[in-house]
Amino acid sequence: GNSVTQMEGPVTLSEEAFLTINCTYTATGYPSLFWYVQYPGEGLQLLLKATKADDKGSNKGFEATYRKETTSFHLEKGSVQVSDSAVYFCALSLNTGFQKLVFGTGTRLLVSP
Amino acid sequence: DVKVTQSSRYLVKRTGEKVFLECVQDMDHENMFWYRQDPGLGLRLIYFSYDVKMKEKGDIPEGYSVSREKKERFSLILESASTNQTSMYLCASSSRPGGNKMHEQFFGPGTRLTVL
Repeated sequence: GNSVTQMEGPVTLSEEAFLTINCTYTATGYPSLFWYVQYPGEGLQLLLKATKADDKGSNKGFEATYRKETTSFHLEKGSVQVSDSAVYFCALSLNTGFQKLVFGTGTRLLVSP
Repeated sequence: DVKVTQSSRYLVKRTGEKVFLECVQDMDHENMFWYRQDPGLGLRLIYFSYDVKMKEKGDIPEGYSVSREKKERFSLILESASTNQTSMYLCASSSRPGGNKMHEQFFGPGTRLTVL
């Protein structure tokens, strides 16, 4: 079946530290990959996406590269801010049918000043 | 600004009650989705709809039903609420995909439902 595995949190960092949140996937076919972010008290927002192997998605200083050989889509940011504190969800969608999203369990990031 | 709204942010109901969760989107999207979010489990798809009056079961439809009478509105119904349905419920919408293009899902703020 199709599934997404991401590292358990919380991830606790100091401001300006380097961030990596690991995400690996299992899929039949060739999925699109996404990172969504959920700020406290809000719904999910799309952070970035990649639709094919070797694509790099980027937004707000965050980056993730679609690695087909390692079935991974790790999220990185060079220098985190307190305002980046949120829950981050990795997700995949197969490019067929109704394009349902399959989510990972989420990783909470806590950034302290 | 695009928007998905949900009727309540917080809801408390008793076991056995019939519960309606409402979701409205103003983007003229064809697809609408209901998820529940639980710690350690991420988001799980309950039901989705790709057109008015159309519905498809997601991964965990048991104990739920849905209604889509108008394009902009998608309702989740708990026929007889149980304590294991205490959760955060998230609604989302997206436009119909064309070709290989994946369309973003836009999420509402969520309804935290507690069943006592």
